[in-house]
Amino acid sequence: AQKVTQAQTEISVVEKEDVTLDCVYETRDTTYYLFWYKQPPSGELVFLIRRNSFDEQNEISGRYSWNFQKSTSSFNFTITASQVVDSAVYFCALSEAQGGGATNKLIFGTGTLLAVQP
Amino acid sequence: DAGVTQSPTHLIKTRGQQVTLRCSPKSGHDTVSWYQQALGQGPQFIFQYYEEEERQRGNFPDRFSGHQFPNYSSELNVNALLLGDSALYLCASSLTDTQPRHSYNSPLHFGNGTRLTVT
Repeated sequence: AQKVTQAQTEISVVEKEDVTLDCVYETRDTTYYLFWYKQPPSGELVFLIRRNSFDEQNEISGRYSWNFQKSTSSFNFTITASQVVDSAVYFCALSEAQGGGATNKLIFGTGTLLAVQP
Repeated sequence: DAGVTQSPTHLIKTRGQQVTLRCSPKSGHDTVSWYQQALGQGPQFIFQYYEEEERQRGNFPDRFSGHQFPNYSSELNVNALLLGDSALYLCASSLTDTQPRHSYNSPLHFGNGTRLTVT
């Protein structure tokens, strides 16, 4: 069965600190997709990144970076120089592959609440 | 360019009643998925609609049903409401690419959700 674990329930940092959100996943599939979503208080889930299981290259987008390690089944997310606007719940998610692409059936973790204090 | 829109934003119902939630996908998207998010939890997949048919379903009872219209909008219906159905219901849309040997399902774009309270 597929499972996503986000062990950190809540993290509190001071603005400009770096913070890493952990994500560990379980799947028997050889091809799968991993995601990160941000959920601000408004409730809308905002897509941040999607990676497939064959692409283990780390990715950087501005202050965001992701570290994908198949050997440890982890897909961690780092925010550099955090800002108050980064305060939100962050979800890691996993989907199986179907026809070579990701399906819309995402398995989400329980989320990590990030609070960035000014 | 309008994103995913859901209505209503909030709803209060009594146990045993029925409810219908509505979703309009992002412009250019043809696939709609519904998720249930209980307080403090991650979203759970209910089902997905493409070409007006249910394509995938999560572990939800038959009390949860849906529909997709020719304009790609969708409805989620829940019958015989239980207290445990209280949650944020999220609609997500995407574009499904059916070209053989070239698979591209665009990432899900979510709406702001409908907060359902069952008393």
